Amino acid sequence: EIVLTQSPGTVSLSPGERATLSCRASQSVIDTQLAWYQQKPGQAPRLLIYGASNRAAGIPDRFSGSGSGTDFTLTISRLEPEDFAVYCCEQYGTSPPTFGQGTTVEIK
Amino acid sequence: EVQLLESGGGLVQPGGSLRLSCAASGFPFSNHGMSWVRQAPGKGLEWVSSISGNSAYTYYADSVKGRFTVSRDNSKNTLYLQMNSLTAEDTAVYYCAKIAVIARWYFDVWGRGTLGTVSS
Repeated sequence: EIVLTQSPGTVSLSPGERATLSCRASQSVIDTQLAWYQQKPGQAPRLLIYGASNRAAGIPDRFSGSGSGTDFTLTISRLEPEDFAVYCCEQYGTSPPTFGQGTTVEIK
Repeated sequence: EVQLLESGGGLVQPGGSLRLSCAASGFPFSNHGMSWVRQAPGKGLEWVSSISGNSAYTYYADSVKGRFTVSRDNSKNTLYLQMNSLTAEDTAVYYCAKIAVIARWYFDVWGRGTLGTVSS
């Protein structure tokens, strides 16, 4: 199965700053079939990005995704207070679908 | 409003069983594949199982194959996960998730999860 490694594990930033999160796959992700999710304690995970760069319905344009092959990036252009959370990536091009371990974006 | 609500979690002894349910609302349930995804304490998400809209196809992670059974009742808009022969490694929050697009297993709607704890 494809292993996804996210970095950094935790990043400390201030509101208004830019966040750049990385997701690296152990082998090429077919057809850029990679998604990003946001998780907050006690809440349902939320789909942000699918197909590596397509924003899900209702997701603000400060969230953007890029990448192909084995290297993918989620960028939050200007952090809002509600963006401090855990972010994880998922590849769904090869069965079984697999997830990264997550990156925590915390308030500095 | 599109919503998924899990139930059925709890404390069970090793070797025991749990049956999870997921009540869906706000979308045509029978038209969509559904999945279970779990998250052990302090760990990342792990896909567990998926089922097609008409129940014709089911899929399982190797870690649960032969022990877990996914099913659905489209007349009740409900998804199920029967979990048998449980071990401590099955302790996790179990999420129900809607598959966004057929043959593309990313998930556009999730429930809040239900905690299953396996301990003596």
